[in-house]
Amino acid sequence: DAGITQSPRHKVTETGTPVTLRCHQTENHRYMYWYRQDPGHGLRLIHYSYGVKDTDKGEVSDGYSVSRSKTEDFLLTLESATSSQTSVYFCAITPGQLNTEAFFGQGTRLTVV
Amino acid sequence: DQQVKQNSPSLSVQEGRISILNCDYTNSMFDYFLWYKKYPAEGPTFLISISSIKDKNEDGRFTVFLNKSAKHLSLHIVPSQPGDSAVYFCAASDDNTGNQFYFGTGTSLTVIP
Repeated sequence: DAGITQSPRHKVTETGTPVTLRCHQTENHRYMYWYRQDPGHGLRLIHYSYGVKDTDKGEVSDGYSVSRSKTEDFLLTLESATSSQTSVYFCAITPGQLNTEAFFGQGTRLTVV
Repeated sequence: DQQVKQNSPSLSVQEGRISILNCDYTNSMFDYFLWYKKYPAEGPTFLISISSIKDKNEDGRFTVFLNKSAKHLSLHIVPSQPGDSAVYFCAASDDNTGNQFYFGTGTSLTVIP
């Protein structure tokens, strides 16, 4: 199993509060991703990183920011959580070579009340 | 717009029979396709992939078929086992988009003993 750890695994937060989710990898992979999974939508890309301090937006990036100060850590921040951000969040990694699969973490279930 | 589509939300199959899961895509630039399996409360795990230069890839009980002209791929599981019951996601990537993966909405497979 790829060494990916997401924390926390579960979180309940109130609307309007900031939330940070952490993804930590031990594989030294170049690319890291944050996805959200929602019923009827599958997995949608929020943001991704292709190196330290190099990040880009995915298809559902509004309301989210990310940071990558070290190869092994990729943080996802909800600056002011909304109920529409209640979801399961997955971190994924790839080495960045062509035609390679992504490895996923166990997920973080976030509930915004 | 969903670039990768799985039009069957669910599928039930008897143990020992063949399971066929289907996936369609719209972006002709996609050149690498993957299938992931997901159990509840776990992250997706990679199952099998296929490059656009091939039309078939086989790994044990799992075979993926790619029809580029129809922009269609399918996953065959033979014989199906109860442990195969899970949600299956197809995904696609395009080398020009920085290792981004686009996922379908998933098909929930139930294998009946």
